[in-house]
This record gives sequence, structure tokens and C-alpha cells, in this order.
Amino acid sequence: DVKVTQSSRYLVKRTGEKVFLECVQDMDHENMFWYRQDPGLGLRLIYFSYDVKMKEKGDIPEGYSVSREKKERFSLILESASTNQTSMYLCASRTGGASYEQYFGPGTRLTVT
Amino acid sequence: RKEVEQDPGPFNVPEGATVAFNCTYSNSASQSFFWYRQDCRKEPKLLMSVYSSGNEDGRFTAQLNRASQYISLLIRDSKLSDSATYLCAVTPGKLTFGQGTILTVHP
Repeated sequence: DVKVTQSSRYLVKRTGEKVFLECVQDMDHENMFWYRQDPGLGLRLIYFSYDVKMKEKGDIPEGYSVSREKKERFSLILESASTNQTSMYLCASRTGGASYEQYFGPGTRLTVT
Repeated sequence: RKEVEQDPGPFNVPEGATVAFNCTYSNSASQSFFWYRQDCRKEPKLLMSVYSSGNEDGRFTAQLNRASQYISLLIRDSKLSDSATYLCAVTPGKLTFGQGTILTVHP
């Protein structure tokens, strides 16, 4: 079974803090994604990566950066957390090619106070 | 216009009912289509892919209408355990998700 894990299920941070969310997948997938999910807005793509050290902006990259130094790990960084970044963050991975089944991690509920 | 739109519901149906959801997409170049299921406080999981000819998996049937640019999901003989949020997702390239449709099946 594909497994996507995220470093924390719940996280509380203060405004202005630098926040790291870690995601690890164990299926050698090329593609990894970070989404945030908010009521009424659905899943919105923040950043994605097709390969190690490669990154692409999604639909809402402002205020975020990412790092992919190893194939299995994709990190989301909030350089200076703000209250409007309080959300559920979901990591996903999938293999390349024509198969688009994405496997999601359990999510991190981040609260910025 | 949003790239992918769903009726957010909620849909409240009794056990045994048949319920259908639609999902419209704006990009005519979209090539792949999916339905995901998300339980409360859980991550989305793939329910089924949607093929051009339509496909069925037990009580679930997915259809694609390219001319009108929508996909549909039909659930027959609803069970209490079908209560969840159903998300549609379309390509090309990265997956774009709808905001989800909430289904509640009651006794």
C-alpha cells in the first residue's frame, strides 16, 4: 500500500513564526503536491514538484515556499506565518506517466494565532 | 468561472435511495477525470476514475459528457456508510478539484 505521511496532525504556531510541514512518501513517486483545504473553497494547490530539486507554483503560492532535496520528501515552508494561513494542509504524491491517482497524507491542521 | 464546479449540497437522502452528483469543468482540453471520497476529518481517497464510455463499480456509476463538459456520479441503494464528501477532479496536467459535495445518508 502507498503510504504518505505528514510530520504532524495538529500544529499551533504564532504569527510571524517560520513553519515547516514535512511530507514523506514510500512509493518512489516522482510527483508530490501540497494543498490547503478550507470550508467552501475545496482543495487548492499551493506548490508541486515533478522531481528532486524541482518545484512549480500552484494556484496559491503566495506566502509559501517548498523544498525537495530527496525524492521521498517534500517540505512546505511558511516563511512568516499569518492568521489567514490557518488551514488543513494536505500532501499528496503520485507516479508519473498517465496514471493520475493521487495518494494523500492524513493532513496537518495548522492554527496560527 | 471556476475551473471545476460542484453543487456543495448537502444532499440528505434515506438509506436505499439513489442519488446523483454532477461536476462541471471549464477546460475543454481536460483529459482525465476522477471521483474522490473524503470522510470527515480524513484525507481524500480515490473512489473511481471516469472513463469516456462510462464505468461502474458495484453501486457506483460514473459518466462523462464531453459535449456538455461534466462528469457525474450515481450512487444506488445508498448506505449509511456512503455519508461523506465527494470530490471531483480533472486534468490536464495537475489535478484540479471541485469544492466537494456533502452527502448524508440517514436511516
